[in-house]
Amino acid sequence: DTEVTQTPKHLVMGMTNKKSLKCEQHMGHRAMYWYKQKAKKPPELMFVYSYEKLSINESVPSRFSPECPNSSLLNLHLHALQPEDSALYLCASSQGDSRASPLHFGNGTRLTVT
Amino acid sequence: AQSVTQLGSHVSVSEGALVLLRCNYSSSVPPYLFWYVQYPNQGLQLLLKYTSAATLVKGINGFEAEFKKSETSFHLTKPSAHMSDAAEYFCAVSDPNNDMRFGAGTRLTVKP
Repeated sequence: DTEVTQTPKHLVMGMTNKKSLKCEQHMGHRAMYWYKQKAKKPPELMFVYSYEKLSINESVPSRFSPECPNSSLLNLHLHALQPEDSALYLCASSQGDSRASPLHFGNGTRLTVT
Repeated sequence: AQSVTQLGSHVSVSEGALVLLRCNYSSSVPPYLFWYVQYPNQGLQLLLKYTSAATLVKGINGFEAEFKKSETSFHLTKPSAHMSDAAEYFCAVSDPNNDMRFGAGTRLTVKP
């Protein structure tokens, strides 16, 4: 079982919808991440939160809006998405205090935009 | 900049055969290197990591990797493949911003 929990597991939304992806970890990690993964590709970094502050935004379109309400929770708000945004969205966490800290991933949310 | 290159997008072995997945790195500073595995419909799971201690690193599920500075390599091996090892494997390097940069991935198929 993964220690990073993502909900929902699957999401189908239209291009005019607003939805949110949720991520939760209780390992005391201070860094949390959103990755996007297309089929047969590696994960691509979208956002990094370090100590609840957004530290990295990898030039992601504004239709994706991250939020970190507290050190255990991470949300990704979605609005006016495009079909090409369909992908597996992975949340991860790490201790965040050194390059030696590995990432702990959730099982992802499979997003389909129609 | 730090990066990794995985040689071979697809590797196929017979059950019981040696598994060898190749990864070469490029880094301007001493690298921190990782191998992750992804099973279908799941997230990535850490197999092992190199953080400048022992050059031969043992991980979970019988996998190990050897850091070779002279060859800038960090290849993943397992002496005897099991059917359950079929998955996607990603080599990764942690850059100075503590961001994980992944290779393109290698799909391992295990034939009975």
